[in-house]
Amino acid sequence: DVKVTQSSRYLVKRTGEKVFLECVQDMDHENMFWYRQDPGLGLRLIYFSYDVKMKEKGDIPEGYSVSREKKERFSLILESASTNQTSMYLCASSLKGELFFGEGSRLTVL
Amino acid sequence: GENVEQHPSTLSVQEGDSAVIKCTYSDSASNYFPWYKQELGKRPQLIIDIRSNVGEKKDQRIAVTLNKTAKHFSLHITETQPEDSAVYFCAARGEYGNKLVFGAGTILRVKS
Repeated sequence: DVKVTQSSRYLVKRTGEKVFLECVQDMDHENMFWYRQDPGLGLRLIYFSYDVKMKEKGDIPEGYSVSREKKERFSLILESASTNQTSMYLCASSLKGELFFGEGSRLTVL
Repeated sequence: GENVEQHPSTLSVQEGDSAVIKCTYSDSASNYFPWYKQELGKRPQLIIDIRSNVGEKKDQRIAVTLNKTAKHFSLHITETQPEDSAVYFCAARGEYGNKLVFGAGTILRVKS
């Protein structure tokens, strides 16, 4: 079974803090993704990566950056957290189309 | 870029009835259309998908249909059961793209 692990299930941060969300997959998948899930808006793509050190912007990249130094790890970074970044963040990996999601990280920014 | 619209946003059905969720997409080059199910508090998981060279695909009680001309696809669940209650997301992906664009989701409630 594919396993996608997100390091933190719940985080509470203050406005202006730097936030790191970590994601690790164990199936040697080339592609990794970060989505944001908000009620009524579905899953919106923030960034994705199709190889080590490669990244591409998704539909809502503003306020976020990513890092992929190793194939199995894809990190989402909020340089200066804001209240409108309070959300559920889902990491996923894929090999041939099907996405395998992590459990999600619920971030609250106060 | 691709835009996916999904309807209805919520759907309540009686156990044993059928449920239909519809999606439309904007990019005629899209060729892959998966459906994901997300149970409460859990991660989304793929339940069925269809590619543009196929008009219909079935897997037990679930089926997906695709109308490329009209640029819409639908999920059909027959003989619904309480465990079908979840949020369902449709998605679309272009031929040369890596990224899936998701619809806003449908909350399905199956009443017993």
